[in-house]
Amino acid sequence: DGGITQSPKYLFRKEGQNVTLSCEQNLNHDAMYWYRQDPGQGLRLIYYSQIVNDFQKGDIAEGYSVSREKKESFPLTVTSAQKNPTAFYLCASSAGSSYNEQFFGPGTRLTVL
Amino acid sequence: KNEVEQSPQNLTAQEGEFITINCSYSVGISALHWLQQHPGGGIVSLFMLSSGKKKHGRLIATINIQEKHSSLHITASHPRDSAVYICAALYGNKLVFGAGTILRVKS
Repeated sequence: DGGITQSPKYLFRKEGQNVTLSCEQNLNHDAMYWYRQDPGQGLRLIYYSQIVNDFQKGDIAEGYSVSREKKESFPLTVTSAQKNPTAFYLCASSAGSSYNEQFFGPGTRLTVL
Repeated sequence: KNEVEQSPQNLTAQEGEFITINCSYSVGISALHWLQQHPGGGIVSLFMLSSGKKKHGRLIATINIQEKHSSLHITASHPRDSAVYICAALYGNKLVFGAGTILRVKS
């Protein structure tokens, strides 16, 4: 079955630690996205990538980093520089740009202890 | 500023009721998406539309470009429709998301 997987579903980290969230897709989509969701707010774009080895900052990129070494993978690292990292993180992909339908992963809930 | 406003924020309905969720946006857009987020957090795309109306099963989405307004309707609502419904407007090549409408359908 084609789709997007994110792991882990729940993640706990201590303050000051970096942590990497995984996102894999087997839909052969060129574009991939990372969003952050906080209670009562709309999804906000962290980073996006439209092609391998290239990515762009979204609206809230500070304290995050990404890589796109393979078409199917787009990991997100939450660094210790992110002041308020506790949130629900969603990965998405689309065939081309966001003009097209985006397919979402199940999400990772990150809690900083 | 490109914004998306949804109403209501919370909605409780009895099984069988007709439900309407509204979405308004601030400037001209090229498309509008309706998404459904399940209690576990996963999101699925329901509709993408740029004009007129689309229907899928008991779900209907409409958009009025002149009034900068879109609605999502659910006919004969069922408890399994309970979820968060999110609209997202495409401004250029950027999606801007509303905060979502939490729908609870009681049996």
